[in-house]
Amino acid sequence: DTAVSQTPKYLVTQMGNDKSIKCEQNLGHDTMYWYKQDSKKFLKIMFSYNNKELIINETVPNRFSPKSPDKAHLNLHINSLELGDSAVYFCASSRQADSGNTIYFGEGSWLTVV
Amino acid sequence: QKEVEQDPGPLSVPEGAIVSLNCTYSNSAFQYFMWYRQYSRKGPELLMYTYSSGNKEDGRFTAQVDKSSKYISLFIRDSQPSDSATYLCAMAGTGGGNKLTFGTGTQLKVEL
Repeated sequence: DTAVSQTPKYLVTQMGNDKSIKCEQNLGHDTMYWYKQDSKKFLKIMFSYNNKELIINETVPNRFSPKSPDKAHLNLHINSLELGDSAVYFCASSRQADSGNTIYFGEGSWLTVV
Repeated sequence: QKEVEQDPGPLSVPEGAIVSLNCTYSNSAFQYFMWYRQYSRKGPELLMYTYSSGNKEDGRFTAQVDKSSKYISLFIRDSQPSDSATYLCAMAGTGGGNKLTFGTGTQLKVEL
């Protein structure tokens, strides 16, 4: 069983569209994250939720809206997609939100905006 | 200047070589230091984890942290073609949530 699974793995869409990426973890962790990896492989945190509560919100455009229906799921909805949103989006989880907790990543969702 | 600097490579070595990968950082608040390995089209997987300064060894891998120099290293002994991947250093401070700051990654190729 995949510990952190996200769907879809590949997504090609037109500018202006709205899309969602779903993420689920079966590790029993309390904390989940969204990271973005750009074309230069630079990986940067976007959001973090702990027990469904938003605890980290980096300077991300408000077109990006995370939703955590329960602590095992963290979805990412993106409105009005732009070319610059093309990237790989990684969902991740850790046991707790405290620094030092090992973070486990999913396989990534490749988003291409055309 | 980025908080974490890492040479992107690519680094190409023959099989069996000792590989040295390095990162420097500027934020003295970083206390937790990690190395992730990322294969093409896959997510990062944790390879090594070190708290504060010191060395840690796990099989062919050794992680070193020198907080006084703000410098961390990963050594791979007897490198194998299966080690070919991108290696990302990552760091976190205390407080403010479990937020990792990554280097840009070094692409490693181990050739037969």
